[in-house]
Amino acid sequence: ETGVTQTPRHLVMGMTNKKSLKCEQHLGHNAMYWYKQSAKKPLELMFVYNFKEQTENNSVPSRFSPECPNSSHLFLHLHTLQPEDSALYLCASSQDRQVNEQFFGPGTRLTVL
Amino acid sequence: GENVGLHLPTLSVQEGDNSIINCAYSNSASDYFIWYKQESGKGPQFIIDIRSNMDKRQGQRVTVLLNKTVKHLSLQIAATQPGDSAVYFCAENIWGQNFVFGPGTRLSVLP
Repeated sequence: ETGVTQTPRHLVMGMTNKKSLKCEQHLGHNAMYWYKQSAKKPLELMFVYNFKEQTENNSVPSRFSPECPNSSHLFLHLHTLQPEDSALYLCASSQDRQVNEQFFGPGTRLTVL
Repeated sequence: GENVGLHLPTLSVQEGDNSIINCAYSNSASDYFIWYKQESGKGPQFIIDIRSNMDKRQGQRVTVLLNKTVKHLSLQIAATQPGDSAVYFCAENIWGQNFVFGPGTRLSVLP
């Protein structure tokens, strides 16, 4: 185990639903990340939080809304998603933005119908 | 952003043989590289890293080679085992900036 947990592991939702993905890290890290992993594409960075502050939004559509209430928890709120948003959503953490190694969670497999 | 790519999308090797997975990068300013392993149903797992001031780094059964002249990175796995079957990603970055990940190579270990 990497010390980063994600729930749920699988999620199926309709385009009109609202759902949230949760990530928790038990490593005492200060930086957390959301990535999207689609089939046959490299990992795409979505959001970066450092010390609870969002430091990067990588041109992500507003139907994805992150929230970082503290350094250990990260959420990704989803609403009015599209079928092309179906992917594996990975959370990662690192000591801080200046430390390179990131530890990944197992991901949430999202299917949008 | 700069491209980080893999020469081979799939690689099949016999159990016990050595595996070599390659990666090309295009940003000569990149100074840090990581290899990740991703097994089915799991997130990427750190394998080994190397900084640009090194040419080679060894871990347990794995070796990473960095050739800055041709911007090439490789991961060598000795005595490949069934548990090594996974997708392997390379990633590059410049200190303090975001990682750029390659598309991945699937390694299949044949009995």
